[in-house]
Amino acid sequence: EVQLLESGGGLVQPGGSLRLSCAASGFTFSNFAMTWVRQAPGKGLEWVSSISFSATYTYYADSVKGRCTISRDNSKNTLYLQMNSLRAEDTAVYYCAKGVGGYNPNYFDFWGQGTLVTVSS
Amino acid sequence: SYVLTQPPSVSVAPGQTARITCGANNIGAKSVHWYQQKPGQAPVLVVYNDSDRPSGIPERISGSNSGSTATLTISRAEAGDEADYYCQLWDGSTDHWVFGGGTKLTVL
Repeated sequence: EVQLLESGGGLVQPGGSLRLSCAASGFTFSNFAMTWVRQAPGKGLEWVSSISFSATYTYYADSVKGRCTISRDNSKNTLYLQMNSLRAEDTAVYYCAKGVGGYNPNYFDFWGQGTLVTVSS
Repeated sequence: SYVLTQPPSVSVAPGQTARITCGANNIGAKSVHWYQQKPGQAPVLVVYNDSDRPSGIPERISGSNSGSTATLTISRAEAGDEADYYCQLWDGSTDHWVFGGGTKLTVL
């Protein structure tokens, strides 16, 4: 059974940093691209960042480019999102999602339950 | 970059057919995927590559894509189908993954 378990969310002040983690199990993590998607309170889904299976390629939404870094540790089956210079508009539930491709996730067949990030003073 | 336009809400009577649209210029040339999200839960993939269903998704849920509109069709709607539905595609010109704004389906 595929499982994705996010952690690392919490309350952070504007300008602060946070690192999200996503522990994966139930599939060969190193074969698949992975993605972070976020959802602000009461709003829709927003793609944030994706990474290819071997971390050769990384992709970012314009809203987070330069402030966030996606990475993965295939030896630990774990996906990360380092978030810096956080703003109030980054407040959201952050979901980890498994892609179906190796280089291009294409679409997302499994999702974690999400971790809440709140940016507020 | 691609902007996917969905109606904010769709209502359907139990047992009837609901159609949720996702519009964009020449979207028919892209592969469109659909997700269902119930309150307080993570999204679930219900249709991929325009019209394929993952295992466990009932045949009542189907998809199509042509011209400037992709459509998610839910036949014989049930109370359990009430949820937000999102379309999604990959924009190869920007290497961005794009979601529609979402449609709230109400089964009256």
